[in-house]
Amino acid sequence: QKEVEQDPGPLSVPEGAIVSLNCTYSNSAFQYFMWYRQYSRKGPELLMYTYSSGNKEDGRFTAQVDKSSKYISLFIRDSQPSDSATYLCAMSGNYGQNFVFGPGTRLSVLP
Amino acid sequence: NAGVTQTPKFRILKIGQSMTLQCAQDMNHNYMYWYRQDPGMGLKLIYYSVGAGITDKGEVPNGYNVSRSTTEDFPLRLELAAPSQTSVYFCASSYPDRGPNTGELFFGEGSRLTVL
Repeated sequence: QKEVEQDPGPLSVPEGAIVSLNCTYSNSAFQYFMWYRQYSRKGPELLMYTYSSGNKEDGRFTAQVDKSSKYISLFIRDSQPSDSATYLCAMSGNYGQNFVFGPGTRLSVLP
Repeated sequence: NAGVTQTPKFRILKIGQSMTLQCAQDMNHNYMYWYRQDPGMGLKLIYYSVGAGITDKGEVPNGYNVSRSTTEDFPLRLELAAPSQTSVYFCASSYPDRGPNTGELFFGEGSRLTVL
């Protein structure tokens, strides 16, 4: 079993749709959870950051962490073509170190 | 503010050749990392450094070497290139105790390497 699993997609949705992206993990020591967005031929950039369980909202983006189920989610409301990118989940058990990345989900938002 | 700068952006190598990927950051970050990204495999950590003069192996260090003589620079050396090293390489930096998103990684734009 891989340490972090993520559906690679591709996922295609119409503009304005609600998008749900998910990762599952096996290491119960993970406490820091992140979502990175990566545009084609660019480096990843941090989108959302969550510590331990719970929800965090930032504009159209909501990150959820369920440590009991070892499951994290990223929701995108009112999706836009500019949201088309690959979304990588990442997690760590150490303070700011030793990140483990999921393989990424490629999202296309169609106008 | 340049952030993390990687050179070269593209390179083709022949089997057995050697080369160095350059990485520089201007954010005064103490942590620096090298990752490789292969299709469907996510980012795999090659080497990392917690400060000048200190380096350590990541998940996939074989075939690579690093050095960290200054805070700003963290070059990655490929010795005796093999086709299995064909990948996109990303350098990243962070400052774990600074800012609201502790441990946030700042990535360069990547170096695409093909070994033929």
